[in-house]
Amino acid sequence: DTGVSQDPRHKITKRGQNVTFRCDPISEHNRLYWYRQTLGQGPEFLTYFQNEAQLEKSRLLSDRFSAERPKGSFSTLEIQRTEQGDSAMYLCASVRGSQETQYFGPGTRLLVL
Amino acid sequence: DQQVKQNSPSLSVQEGRISILNCDYTNSMFDYFLWYKKYPAEGPTFLISISSIKDKNEDGRFTVFLNKSAKHLSLHIVPSQPGDSAVYFCAASSYNAGNMLTFGGGTRLMVKP
Repeated sequence: DTGVSQDPRHKITKRGQNVTFRCDPISEHNRLYWYRQTLGQGPEFLTYFQNEAQLEKSRLLSDRFSAERPKGSFSTLEIQRTEQGDSAMYLCASVRGSQETQYFGPGTRLLVL
Repeated sequence: DQQVKQNSPSLSVQEGRISILNCDYTNSMFDYFLWYKKYPAEGPTFLISISSIKDKNEDGRFTVFLNKSAKHLSLHIVPSQPGDSAVYFCAASSYNAGNMLTFGGGTRLMVKP
């Protein structure tokens, strides 16, 4: 296994701009999760996919956030009209089949100026 | 409403001694519990997990104990090594709720040589 990868690792943007992050899960992992972590806190669930279907969204995921997993492999998370409060580490995790352990990528650190 | 709590924000231990990290939860629907280790600017690394049907799971220097009646779990590291210094997060999930993880706030462990 090559592990979960995320791109970019760091992103600095100005308030009001749109940003998109990519997550490539471990091969053959059919479930993919997005989390957000702010300083001093544990990660918080945002949304998850089983194959290409988005099955759950947290109330943290405002209308400015959208996630896709079009072919059931990689996923993208887009934030429109970024705000300073969006500054955080965005984490992606994947799980194989009916197993329960989630494996995380290195994260994308977003800074909104 | 914090469903998973780690009440000790930090813990300092001498090398070679035991480290005990604690975690409490409130949601009785949680049926799977995990511990992750995290370094700054990296994603969480899976350490060890336990299903609610067990009360103990061991993997090398790491042992997790689960007390369902008290809704409490703990991670024991024996012997502690300086390389164990990191932030440790406990997390819980429910199979019937999509297995999304609910994290505690983390405990920073410092192992002194």
